[in-house]
Amino acid sequence: KAGVTQTPRYLIKTRGQQVTLSCSPISGHRSVSWYQQTPGQGLQFLFEYFSETQRNKGNFPGRFSGRQFSNSRSEMNVSTLELGDSALYLCASSLDTATDTQYFGPGTRLTVL
Amino acid sequence: GNSVTQMEGPVTLSEEAFLTINCTYTATGYPSLFWYVQYPGEGLQLLLKATKADDKGSNKGFEATYRKETTSFHLEKGSVQVSDSAVYFCALTQGGSEKLVFGKGTKLTVNP
Repeated sequence: KAGVTQTPRYLIKTRGQQVTLSCSPISGHRSVSWYQQTPGQGLQFLFEYFSETQRNKGNFPGRFSGRQFSNSRSEMNVSTLELGDSALYLCASSLDTATDTQYFGPGTRLTVL
Repeated sequence: GNSVTQMEGPVTLSEEAFLTINCTYTATGYPSLFWYVQYPGEGLQLLLKATKADDKGSNKGFEATYRKETTSFHLEKGSVQVSDSAVYFCALTQGGSEKLVFGKGTKLTVNP
């Protein structure tokens, strides 16, 4: 069974631009979560989607948004990029409930210049 | 709120040494506990998990026991290998939420 895939793997943008990252979950998984990883803040939860609905949201500004499609694929968007948005963005998928294991993709490395 | 505290390291060991990485948590009720591992340039891989008190998770020679009385989930391995060099994260979920709360991570380097 294929794992979680994320595209693109690497991205370079400049301040003020916007970016869209994509995540394809493991087949059959209906929940997708997004995390930001930085050296200073560590791993922080962004949001979680289930059946096209945002079920949970972390403490990030409104510039960070996401959505989930009917095939469970998910995208996250960051508008008006800031230098501090440079990070590894990780997507994780799971079957359904909170006790189900989350499986992570390789991440998208975003660099904002 | 919920939080996870783990020893920050870095930890440097020789091959075949014994490994312990401490992890304690703060949460109400009964969280599920996890150890994830991140190899250089990669995403996170689940190493092991435990969903209730006194459960022992184990995988690839690593073990951790869910201790509710000490709110701990320490990671251990009897004999580490060079290939175990990575960053290890302790994490929890709770209360019907998918949200994982992570510790800061512990970088392990194993020398031959």
